[in-house]
Amino acid sequence: EAGVAQSPRYKIIEKRQSVAFWCNPISGHATLYWYQQILGQGPKLLIQFQNNGVVDDSQLPKDRFSAERLKGVDSTLKIQPAKLEDSAVYLCASSLGLGRGYGYTFGSGTRLTVV
Amino acid sequence: AQTVTQSQPEMSVQEAETVTLSCTYDTSESDYYLFWYKQPPSRQMILVIRQEAYKQQNATENRFSVNFQKAAKSFSLKISDSQLGDAAMYFCAYRSGGNEKLTFGTGTRLTIIP
Repeated sequence: EAGVAQSPRYKIIEKRQSVAFWCNPISGHATLYWYQQILGQGPKLLIQFQNNGVVDDSQLPKDRFSAERLKGVDSTLKIQPAKLEDSAVYLCASSLGLGRGYGYTFGSGTRLTVV
Repeated sequence: AQTVTQSQPEMSVQEAETVTLSCTYDTSESDYYLFWYKQPPSRQMILVIRQEAYKQQNATENRFSVNFQKAAKSFSLKISDSQLGDAAMYFCAYRSGGNEKLTFGTGTRLTIIP
């Protein structure tokens, strides 16, 4: 079974620039998550999709972050404009969405550095 | 809101010895799940072990076991016969029974001494 694919693996941008991350979940996984992991902290949920609908985006800074999940499969997370404090690893995960935490799989993340 | 606390930023253990990582959590819910994840330098979060709150029996996966104390809201991970490949960041995580969102602790960096 192929894992959760993310790209790019690394990205360095200047503050106020824009950036986009891409995620391809495991085939058949209905639920997709984007987590932000700042250095020295645990991951924090930014947004959760069920198929192509948003379930939870309460911690997404909507003035600069946006996300979409095209046709309930791939997803992109965008930051515009970026701030220094956005430097973090952005992890994508997917699950079957059947409850109990089964089949929750993470990608290897994108490390973003804002300078 | 649920919170997860890991009070040990770093731990080290001799190869082949046993180490215990601590985790406490705060919740008012009765239906929930607890997890330990391992994050090596590759950054991918790997599930180590999971525990359903309604199960009294502690979960075990080969060399990994947990001590789940529901009343004390404590969920520690014991690694027996530590191996060099166990070196990583370990995160404790909580999930409500009605939501698939994971809430993570701040992690413990485990070093294995050869």
